[in-house]
Amino acid sequence: DAGVIQSPRHEVTEMGQEVTLRCKPISGHNSLFWYRQTMMRGLELLIYFNNNVPIDDSGMPEDRFSAKMPNASFSTLKIQPSEPRDSAVYFCASSWGVGNQPQHFGDGTRLSIL
Amino acid sequence: DQQVKQNSPSLSVQEGRISILNCDYTNSMFDYFLWYKKYPAEGPTFLISISSIKDKNEDGRFTVFLNKSAKHLSLHIVPSQPGDSAVYFCAVKTGANNLFFGTGTRLTVIP
Repeated sequence: DAGVIQSPRHEVTEMGQEVTLRCKPISGHNSLFWYRQTMMRGLELLIYFNNNVPIDDSGMPEDRFSAKMPNASFSTLKIQPSEPRDSAVYFCASSWGVGNQPQHFGDGTRLSIL
Repeated sequence: DQQVKQNSPSLSVQEGRISILNCDYTNSMFDYFLWYKKYPAEGPTFLISISSIKDKNEDGRFTVFLNKSAKHLSLHIVPSQPGDSAVYFCAVKTGANNLFFGTGTRLTVIP
């Protein structure tokens, strides 16, 4: 079974550029989560969707960050303009339903902003 | 403020012995607790969970213990195997979907 698929696996770009991270959740899952992992703050939730609708975006750090989920099988996280402090590993996860269902993670996108 | 703390950044254990990983949380409203394992260059993988109505859950070599009065969670791995070497994260949630993660403990199992 295919797990959560993220692309690209690595992204290196210069500050000021637009960055788009992509995620395909596990088929049948209806909740999708974007996380960021840094040395300083660990793994923190940025935003999550349920049935393609953003439910909680309180973790999105700034207006430079935006996320969309146009359909049940695709989501994007966009940073525009990017800054060096956005360098981190970004994970996407999905789960079925709400409540006590474990989230399944993709392998992440390692983002470096020069 | 960190709502979930893993105070030991690393742990080394001999193969065959027990590994005990610890986690403390601050909010008594958390009602579901999980452990994830993470290998380098991969995403976290769900390992085991426990709800607040229980104090123990076992799955093969892995057992999670919950002490609600102390707001303390632990993961026991016995016997430990070299393949268990990874970073272990505890995570907690309330009725909402948000997971709060600890900072992780790197476990090294020495052959």
